[in-house]
Amino acid sequence: AQSVTQPDIHITVSEGASLELRCNYSYGATPYLFWYVQSPGQGLQLLLKYFSGDTLVQGIKGFEAEFKRSQSSFNLRKPSVHWSDAAEYFCAVVGEAGGFKTIFGAGTRLFVKA
Amino acid sequence: EPEVTQTPSHQVTQMGQEVILRCVPISNHLYFYWYRQILGQKVEFLVSFYNNEISEKSEIFDDQFSVERPDGSNFTLKIRSTKLEDSAMYFCASRGTSGGAGETQYFGPGTRLLVL
Repeated sequence: AQSVTQPDIHITVSEGASLELRCNYSYGATPYLFWYVQSPGQGLQLLLKYFSGDTLVQGIKGFEAEFKRSQSSFNLRKPSVHWSDAAEYFCAVVGEAGGFKTIFGAGTRLFVKA
Repeated sequence: EPEVTQTPSHQVTQMGQEVILRCVPISNHLYFYWYRQILGQKVEFLVSFYNNEISEKSEIFDDQFSVERPDGSNFTLKIRSTKLEDSAMYFCASRGTSGGAGETQYFGPGTRLLVL
């Protein structure tokens, strides 16, 4: 069965520091991987997605993610975090079966300290 | 950029009452979804809808839930007799058909449902 694991429930980084949020997936075929961000009380905003080609994908707000098939990982990175990046981040996978439903990880809450 | 809209943004209801959550997907999209997020938890898939029928549903989507596309633009989620545990944020999403599984799903802003 398809699944997504985000090992870190929350992470705290200093403003200006680099960030890496971990994501591991379980899926038999080629995964279609996404990262979403959710600010408190808000909806889901797509940061970036991967489904083929270059394994390093660029997204909005200065985020990037690297797909590593050998590690079944799709970690999200940002070189310099801003206070406005504080939010919940969800990794997700879409399978090819059925209606292409999205399966989300449990999320990682990012705290940014001054 | 086109977007998915949802109404109402917030709804408070009494346990046992029926609620209908409404969504207007992006106009040329053909796949429609409902997800829910209980406060502090992850987003969970409820149901997908294509070609005027349910294509997949989760264990959560029991007989109390139903979906409908009553006209060419709206997509609704009905909960017949709400329970306290139905309190959650409900997200609607839609996608096109051209990109296979890689086609982006666009999420609406959500409806926060509170059952008292």
